[in-house]
Amino acid sequence: DQQVKQNSPSLSVQEGRISILNCDYTNSMFDYFLWYKKYPAEGPTFLISISSIKDKNEDGRFTVFLNKSAKHLSLHIVPSQPGDSAVYFCAASARTSYDKVIFGPGTSLSVIP
Amino acid sequence: DAGVTQSPTHLIKTRGQQVTLRCSPISGHKSVSWYQQVLGQGPQFIFQYYEKEERGRGNFPDRFSARQFPNYSSELNVNALLLGDSALYLCASNVLSQHGYTFGSGTRLTVV
Repeated sequence: DQQVKQNSPSLSVQEGRISILNCDYTNSMFDYFLWYKKYPAEGPTFLISISSIKDKNEDGRFTVFLNKSAKHLSLHIVPSQPGDSAVYFCAASARTSYDKVIFGPGTSLSVIP
Repeated sequence: DAGVTQSPTHLIKTRGQQVTLRCSPISGHKSVSWYQQVLGQGPQFIFQYYEKEERGRGNFPDRFSARQFPNYSSELNVNALLLGDSALYLCASNVLSQHGYTFGSGTRLTVV
């Protein structure tokens, strides 16, 4: 049973436009959410996170929105750059088990120059 | 500062063999976690160790085992390899009280 879902396997966006990556979760115990970016032949790198007590967190071009009632979060990248082309993983953890982070299947983002 | 280091980077093994993967966490990180990433999927949680104790285990068979050493480095062992064990094995370290990991670049295991 997949607790973290990313229903779009891939996304293509023009350079300079907004990229919106979506994520849904099923486990109501999750209270912390993270986005990781992964380039080929590298491990995932942490991008941005959000606690369940917030509904928005911003870091430069990256903003994560959390809708707890819908169990949905999204990552917005504005403006998108070719270097943003990578696989993006949504991940979640619960206060009761910080040590177990559950990842979604990923969305491959291509930013077209 | 060195990040999370994993060795080897690539490995080819035959079905039925055993393999040991190694990981050194970031200095000061006492928690190490192991993940398996099969092509086209997200990383799947295998184990988490803290202070040499297993704190969490994912849905993997007993062929998978791990340990953590006094210097907080860790080994992942897989016995009786199957073709389906072919994957990228990721090690991550963190400070236990904080969410989120720092990942290594992984070991690419191919079972033939």
